[in-house]
Amino acid sequence: KAGVTQTPRYLIKTRGQQVTLSCSPISGHRSVSWYQQTPGQGLQFLFEYFSETQRNKGNFPGRFSGRQFSNSRSEMNVSTLELGDSALYLCASSLGWGADTEAFFGQGTRLTVV
Amino acid sequence: DQQVKQNSPSLSVQEGRISILNCDYTNSMFDYFLWYKKYPAEGPTFLISISSIKDKNEDGRFTVFLNKSAKHLSLHIVPSQPGDSAVYFCAASPSGGSNYKLTFGKGTLLTVNP
Repeated sequence: KAGVTQTPRYLIKTRGQQVTLSCSPISGHRSVSWYQQTPGQGLQFLFEYFSETQRNKGNFPGRFSGRQFSNSRSEMNVSTLELGDSALYLCASSLGWGADTEAFFGQGTRLTVV
Repeated sequence: DQQVKQNSPSLSVQEGRISILNCDYTNSMFDYFLWYKKYPAEGPTFLISISSIKDKNEDGRFTVFLNKSAKHLSLHIVPSQPGDSAVYFCAASPSGGSNYKLTFGKGTLLTVNP
């Protein structure tokens, strides 16, 4: 069964631009979470979607947004990019949204802002 | 405010010996704890978990111990193998679906030397 697919794998953008990242969860999984990984901060929770509804949001500015479609695919958008947004963005999918449901991660999208 | 702390950024052990990775947390609401392993250029993969009703969970060479009173958990790998060399993330979550999100530590780089 296919794993979590994130596209694109690598992206270079300039400051001020906006970017959209895509995540296709494992078939049958309805929960998608997004995380930002940077060397200084580790893995930080961005937001979680379940059945097209945002269930939780981390401590990130409003420039970071997301959505989930009826087929559970999710996109996250970052507007007005800043240099500090350079990071690995990871998406994780799980069957449900309880704490004990295992999350499976994609390989991530490496975003570089120049 | 870091709610999940992995105070050792790196650990080096000899093949065949025990690896002990430590994790401390501050949030009393955390009820479910997980360990993830991450290789370079890949997303984290789930390793083992433990809920707060247990103090130990074992899966093959991997054992996680939880000390709730000390808000401390540890991952033991016995015997360690070179293929175990990776970054290990400790993660915690409150129970209950409405607050589901994973809070990660910054990771510990484990190097197992042949």
